[in-house]
Amino acid sequence: GAVVSQHPSWVICKSGTSVKIECRSLDFQATTMFWYRQFPKQSLMLMATSNEGSKATYEQGVEKDKFLINHASLTLSTLTVTSAHPEDSSFYICSAPPSRTASNEQFFGPGTRLTVL
Amino acid sequence: GQNIDQPTEMTATEGAIVQINCTYQTSGFNGLFWYQQHAGEAPTFLSYNVLDGLEEKGRFSSFLSRSKGYSYLLLKELQMKDSASYLCAVRGNAGNNRKLIWGLGTSLAVNP
Repeated sequence: GAVVSQHPSWVICKSGTSVKIECRSLDFQATTMFWYRQFPKQSLMLMATSNEGSKATYEQGVEKDKFLINHASLTLSTLTVTSAHPEDSSFYICSAPPSRTASNEQFFGPGTRLTVL
Repeated sequence: GQNIDQPTEMTATEGAIVQINCTYQTSGFNGLFWYQQHAGEAPTFLSYNVLDGLEEKGRFSSFLSRSKGYSYLLLKELQMKDSASYLCAVRGNAGNNRKLIWGLGTSLAVNP
């Protein structure tokens, strides 16, 4: 199956700093990638859709100036959490649907656990 | 609005069969997915249904009724490692936007 990687797998930062998370599709091209956030014992919450070559589409209630998304190439999308605060501590997961899969199944990265002190 | 309902928690015994139900109300339908997620890990794909009927894959099967807005995931010969959260997700619209609408997940505990 298709492989999606994320880096870093975990990060601890001080309040007020910015953190960048990378999502890469390793063996396929992804014109679209999705960024999710998941709090403990809760379901996935879609934050935004990352589109290669154009602006990301943010879900209602997600601040685009705080969560910067850049889809630099067909295999890389980055999420930058700017001026992080403790309430931003969460599990961030990206996913990508390979264009050639009939079901448009989404393949998930392993996730990044962010802890803001 | 768009809504996906599934039970919050279920408990079953090792070796038994369990059925996890999912009902959905979405604007359009273009496929239903089941994912498994272990604590602290990313979701992994289990099944996909776009037509009515049963899809079987080893110990796992998934059923869909589009007229009823209903699906279930059937797990047979339960193993302890099946203890996880099971997420139902619906793709509401066709086209290039492959965004999924997610249920809140069903936490399954398999007891010895």
